[in-house]
Amino acid sequence: DAEITQSPRHKITETGRQVTLACHQTWNHNNMFWYRQDLGHGLRLIHYSYGVHDTNKGEVSDGYSVSRSNTEDLPLTLESAASSQTSVYFCASSQASPGGGTQYFGPGTRLTVL
Amino acid sequence: AQKVTQAQTEISVVEKEDVTLDCVYETRDTTYYLFWYKQPPSGELVFLIRRNSFDEQNEISGRYSWNFQKSTSSFNFTITASQVVDSAVYFCALSEAAGNKLTFGGGTRVLVKP
Repeated sequence: DAEITQSPRHKITETGRQVTLACHQTWNHNNMFWYRQDLGHGLRLIHYSYGVHDTNKGEVSDGYSVSRSNTEDLPLTLESAASSQTSVYFCASSQASPGGGTQYFGPGTRLTVL
Repeated sequence: AQKVTQAQTEISVVEKEDVTLDCVYETRDTTYYLFWYKQPPSGELVFLIRRNSFDEQNEISGRYSWNFQKSTSSFNFTITASQVVDSAVYFCALSEAAGNKLTFGGGTRVLVKP
């Protein structure tokens, strides 16, 4: 069955370290997204991609970067982790369609920055 | 800019009671899509429904029903005869026609007591 996976599921890191969160989907979806979930804010869009070599900034992109070298993967990098980036991170993917496809989410990565 | 408001942060009911979750949205687009997702205590995000702005017909799926009213910019969700397994956080979300980026509401936590 097609799926979307994230790794690691839990990560503890220190302030200032570079961290990369992996997202892999086997749906063959063109669209991929990264969100963060914080109490009181719901989910907020960090970065997104509509295809290989395409990346775009979302609402809360400062301090994060992504790259898309193939259809299946969209890794999220925190260049220099800060305590404000402690959060739960969700990756999602959707089929490209004129009306927009339904996004399906990975299981999430809980990141703690000490 | 798009905005989704879920005014109820938490609702507590006793099993078999009905519960309605409110969702009010703002957008300047004439074509848009509305979604509901469920986040059970295990943390994953589960897609429930997708509705486009041209289809105001209400929908029923088992014990779940949705009432879309463009005139009041609302897309409310009702759980009939609630069960303990319905305990979760429910998110309403909005996407523009092009781009498929989701704007989420803050979520409503539903607690169903036996």
